[in-house]
Amino acid sequence: DQQVKQNSPSLSVQEGRISILNCDYTNSMFDYFLWYKKYPAEGPTFLISISSIKDKNEDGRFTVFLNKSAKHLSLHIVPSQPGDSAVYFCAAITQGGKLIFGQGTELSVKP
Amino acid sequence: DTAVSQTPKYLVTQMGNDKSIKCEQNLGHDTMYWYKQDSKKFLKIMFSYNNKELIINETVPNRFSPKSPDKAHLNLHINSLELGDSAVYFCASSRPLQGSREQYFGPGTRLTVT
Repeated sequence: DQQVKQNSPSLSVQEGRISILNCDYTNSMFDYFLWYKKYPAEGPTFLISISSIKDKNEDGRFTVFLNKSAKHLSLHIVPSQPGDSAVYFCAAITQGGKLIFGQGTELSVKP
Repeated sequence: DTAVSQTPKYLVTQMGNDKSIKCEQNLGHDTMYWYKQDSKKFLKIMFSYNNKELIINETVPNRFSPKSPDKAHLNLHINSLELGDSAVYFCASSRPLQGSREQYFGPGTRLTVT
């Protein structure tokens, strides 16, 4: 019963190009979404978030898009850099404050 | 200047032992959490404390007992360790009452039960 799904376990992108990471959710009560980046042997690092009242939030090279009708969000990284290579987790926050994570997508940015 | 710290980073122990993992945050947050990342890399919440009070308990075996001596610390004690407890445990903190819902994570503790 996975409420947050990232269907692509891995993604490989050339340096300088756009990386698009996708996430789907099933619970229409979720009202806040986050993306985390994780390097090996480190904890997840908060990257960017979006409230359900918005459809886009931008922070430098990172933009998150939310499509509520499709229950889908995506993270765009432009331009991609080798240092962006990491596992990216999509997460949603429940009314009670629990973070529900997706399975993660491993991004590899090749020089 | 570590925001959320955990000790130890690695813990190897035998089945049946009791062990503790410590977590401290210096962010001034009032809510702290424990998450478990299993072998399939799923991150799942275990517990949440707000200002030393338990607010989330996710059907975790009662061998796991969180303890919050003050709002900057949330320790995890595990009794009678089992092989299935092997995982990476992450502590996190946030300040939702101040309108900030992002959670900030520690570096993790890799527990191996043999």
